[in-house]
Amino acid sequence: EDKVVQSPLSLVVHEGDTVTLNCSYEVTNFRSLLWYKQEKKAPTFLFMLTSSGIEKKSGRLSSILDKKELFSILNITATQTGDSAVYLCAVYTGNQFYFGTGTSLTVIP
Amino acid sequence: NAGVTQTPKFQVLKTGQSMTLQCAQDMNHEYMSWYRQDPGMGLRLIHYSVGAGITDQGEVPNGYNVSRSTTEDFPLRLLSAAPSQTSVYFCASSLPSAKQYFGPGTRLTVT
Repeated sequence: EDKVVQSPLSLVVHEGDTVTLNCSYEVTNFRSLLWYKQEKKAPTFLFMLTSSGIEKKSGRLSSILDKKELFSILNITATQTGDSAVYLCAVYTGNQFYFGTGTSLTVIP
Repeated sequence: NAGVTQTPKFQVLKTGQSMTLQCAQDMNHEYMSWYRQDPGMGLRLIHYSVGAGITDQGEVPNGYNVSRSTTEDFPLRLLSAAPSQTSVYFCASSLPSAKQYFGPGTRLTVT
């Protein structure tokens, strides 16, 4: 059974902290891994990763994929209150996207 | 481009009623899908389509029907609503192997 597992389920940090969110997967036909941010509305796209070891970066957010160990991490440095959201990881297998349950991040001022 | 649109935004149904959630996209995407999102459960795939005339079941298809007569539209039909179908429903579309674009969601309550 294809599955995507995210950890931790929730996280509370102070502004300025750095956080690392984890996503591990077991799927039969991996094509790509995607990260989304969801703030009480539709998910918005952050990154798509297809190759191991190549870091994708956007401002304070970065992500990397390890296809050998079957996981990805999403790093957020110098967190701000606007980073508070649920972060979703999804794996595309060629016909379906499988989502994890998400990590709820709360950034306290 | 309007992107992915969904109607209605909110709906209240009584148990046993039927209804159709509408989804349309204007990006000529082949892939479209319907998800439901419940607290602590993430996004669960209901049905998906890889092109006009082709649909398939996802993780939680029971109680829902879909059709894909055109590339643009992918309606989701609830045949006989049940309280367990109270949820937020998202439609999404994408090109193959590309990021998904999500609609704004429909919040459905079944009493």
